[in-house]
Amino acid sequence: KQEVTQIPAALSVPEGENLVLNCSFTDSAIYNLQWFRQDPGKGLTSLLLIQSSQREQTSGRLNASLDKSSGRSTLYIAASQPGDSATYLCADPFSSGSARQLTFGSGTQLTVLP
Amino acid sequence: DVKVTQSSRYLVKRTGEKVFLECVQDMDHENMFWYRQDPGLGLRLIYFSYDVKMKEKGDIPEGYSVSREKKERFSLILESASTNQTSMYLCASIDLRGEGYTFGSGTRLTVV
Repeated sequence: KQEVTQIPAALSVPEGENLVLNCSFTDSAIYNLQWFRQDPGKGLTSLLLIQSSQREQTSGRLNASLDKSSGRSTLYIAASQPGDSATYLCADPFSSGSARQLTFGSGTQLTVLP
Repeated sequence: DVKVTQSSRYLVKRTGEKVFLECVQDMDHENMFWYRQDPGLGLRLIYFSYDVKMKEKGDIPEGYSVSREKKERFSLILESASTNQTSMYLCASIDLRGEGYTFGSGTRLTVV
């Protein structure tokens, strides 16, 4: 069964810093990898979806990469802002085994200090 | 944009009540899911459905049932609510063409 790990569990940075969030997975037969953001008490908002044929995706200040051979994905946030404070989750949308499940990492709680 | 709408943001119910959580998506997705999220336990899959009237158990189905009578609507049912079902419940759907998951805004259920 796919396992997804996110490091660090929590991160605090001053405003303006560039930062990297890490996601690793055990099964390299990954179909896609999706990054989400969750604000406290709210649902999940999709940030980026990297399909298996792609190496990276970019949206504004966010860039996500996928390296299937090493079992890793990274989310790069440029010029961080206090509004970026949230929990960031990565997930494999097509885990092996039971079809169509979503295996989540435990998340990285990001705090950007003004 | 795909929208997944959960009918209630906050619910307070009494122990033993039958509770219905409703979820509607507007993009003709076949697959729909119910998760619960608890501090320290992350997101756990309760049930999912891959077509109308079709359902499969997830990791923690005990105490729950689901209904999918129409493609756009997936309901989670707590037959007899208990305090350990106090949680955040999240509905999601997926585009099988590979566009990823879309989540609703969540329902915070408190059972007293």
